[in-house]
Amino acid sequence: KNQVEQSPQSLIILEGKNCTLQCNYTVSPFSNLRWYKQDTGRGPVSLTIMTFSENTKSNGRYTATLDADTKQSSLHITASQLSDSASYICVVSYTDKLIFGTGTRLQVFP
Amino acid sequence: DSGVTQTPKHLITATGQRVTLRCSPRSGDLSVYWYQQSLDQGLQFLIQYYNGEERAKGNILERFSAQQFPDLHSELNLSSLELGDSALYFCASSVEGGPLWGYTFGSGTRLTVV
Repeated sequence: KNQVEQSPQSLIILEGKNCTLQCNYTVSPFSNLRWYKQDTGRGPVSLTIMTFSENTKSNGRYTATLDADTKQSSLHITASQLSDSASYICVVSYTDKLIFGTGTRLQVFP
Repeated sequence: DSGVTQTPKHLITATGQRVTLRCSPRSGDLSVYWYQQSLDQGLQFLIQYYNGEERAKGNILERFSAQQFPDLHSELNLSSLELGDSALYFCASSVEGGPLWGYTFGSGTRLTVV
């Protein structure tokens, strides 16, 4: 069964600290993997998108990694800011479909 | 602004009523997707239209229907509303028939059924 699982479900960190969010998937055949940031009550906004052959992709303080062999991805946030408080959603596409993870809710406190 | 426009932003209605949510895709995008997100839940795919034709169906209730018009805007119709239909409804658009690359979400419509 095609699934995307994210961990942890929620995370609290202090401003300025780093954190890493995890995404494991069992989707096949794999097309690409995306990370989205969703502020409360707003639409998801794309952070990164990676294909099978890409291991790392950065977008400012956000760095995503992909291990297609183990079917794992991570999103690393460096020097967190209060504005990073949001849900982070991992989405895997195969053929013409998307499978959404349930997200990690990140709260950054001062 | 993502380029995907959803109206209205907020909607409050009573049980048993019918509402219509509207989505205008990003310029040049042919596909429109509808999603439902209940409180603290993940995004649930409802339905996709490509260039006016239904392309894929997800967990869409029979009380819900959608269509895409010749100008490519789409409407999601929700009828016989129940309290459990309260949720955020998102529209997304992409150029191709499948969301392989460019895939942009609107800011959503918050529906509250009382």
